Formats: sequence, structure tokens, C-alpha cells
Amino acid sequence: AQSVTQLGSHVSVSEGALVLLRCNYSSSVPPYLFWYVQYPNQGLQLLLKYTTGATLVKGINGFEAEFKKSETSFHLTKPSAHMSDAAEYFCAVRRGGGADGLTFGKGTHLIIQP
Amino acid sequence: GAVVSQHPSRVICKSGTSVKIECRSLDFQATTMFWYRQFPKKSLMLMATSNEGSKATYEQGVEKDKFLINHASLTLSTLTVTSAHPEDSSFYICSARDGRGSTDTQYFGPGTRLTVL
Repeated sequence: AQSVTQLGSHVSVSEGALVLLRCNYSSSVPPYLFWYVQYPNQGLQLLLKYTTGATLVKGINGFEAEFKKSETSFHLTKPSAHMSDAAEYFCAVRRGGGADGLTFGKGTHLIIQP
Repeated sequence: GAVVSQHPSRVICKSGTSVKIECRSLDFQATTMFWYRQFPKKSLMLMATSNEGSKATYEQGVEKDKFLINHASLTLSTLTVTSAHPEDSSFYICSARDGRGSTDTQYFGPGTRLTVL
């Protein structure tokens, strides 16, 4: 079975500061990992994903994440926060092959302070 | 990127009525679509996996007779909430699997806000 834990339901950073959103997973098979962003009353937009290969994954809007198997982590970072980054962020693990659904973490609400 | 649409975006209905939500992949064919439910301030929960031309696979605890799923074509899946009750009020989000090339990514629709009075 797969599960995802996102540490911190709310994270607040100042504009221009480093963004770090934490995600740990458990998986009985090699994981496929995803980060999605959700703006109010909207669906989810894919930020980035890890399948195989390079463990440092770059995504859209300047975000990146590093897969660390030894730590079962897939933390999301951005060097400099922008006001437009304020949103809900979800980490997810795919349960198996491409035809399988995703298991999501509870989400982290990112607040950007001016 | 791949685009998935949902219709309607919002629906309000009376208790006991049925509501149909459509999910369409606009620029790719999706043999597999998924339906999720999102409660306020909570994560998304997978309800069912919909495969084109076959019966949907429901997650444990999801009533298949209440949440009817049909995936009649490679670009359309529908979720019908039958005999809706206030506890069915939620944000329903679909996703479609784009298995082309090396992407194999799920793309999400914008969601449907269901309110049952």
C-alpha cells in the first residue's frame, strides 16, 4: 500500500525567501511521485513528477524536487517565493502502473507574506 | 499540455435528485480516467477508476450504485450521483491518463462543485 505524509498543513514564507514543502511517502513498489498545485476553486495543475532516472526534478514556475530513496522523501523547493505562489500544494504517489490512481497527501497551504 | 474539461463547474440540486458530471479529454484520448472527491480543507480521495468500454473499478467504501460511472468513449467519462443527499455535497474532480510517449501523466479537470440542498 502507498501513503503520503505532508509535514505542515500551513507554511508561511516571505516574498523572495526560500520555499520548502515537505513530503514523505511509503510505497511497496518503486514509487512514481508527483507534486500538484491547486488554486482556489480550481482543479490541480501538475508541477513536476519523478518516475525514474535523475533524482532532481525540475518543474514549472521555478519549482524543483529531489527524490531521496534513503529518506523516502520528495520535498518541493523554490529558491525565491513570489506572491503568485500562494496556493495549496499536494504531493502524490502513484500506486503502480500508469493505469493506477494517485494517493494524495493532505496538502500544504502556502502563504506568501509581502 | 493536455487539457481536461468538466461540466458543469457548479451544480445545486434538491435532495433525492440525480446529477450527471461530464469529464472530457480535449486534445488526447484517455483509455483511463479517474474520479476523485475532495472534502473542504482535505485531500483528494480516489473514488473509482474508469476504463473505456468496461466497468469502473471502485475504491473500498464507495457505493457503486450511488456513484454511477460510464466511460463510453476515449474522450468522455461521466459520473452520475444518484438520489443525491446533502452528505454528497463536495468538490468532484476527474483526471485523465495521457499515456502517449513517455509522459504517462494524469491531467486533472477543473472540478465540479456539487451542493445538495
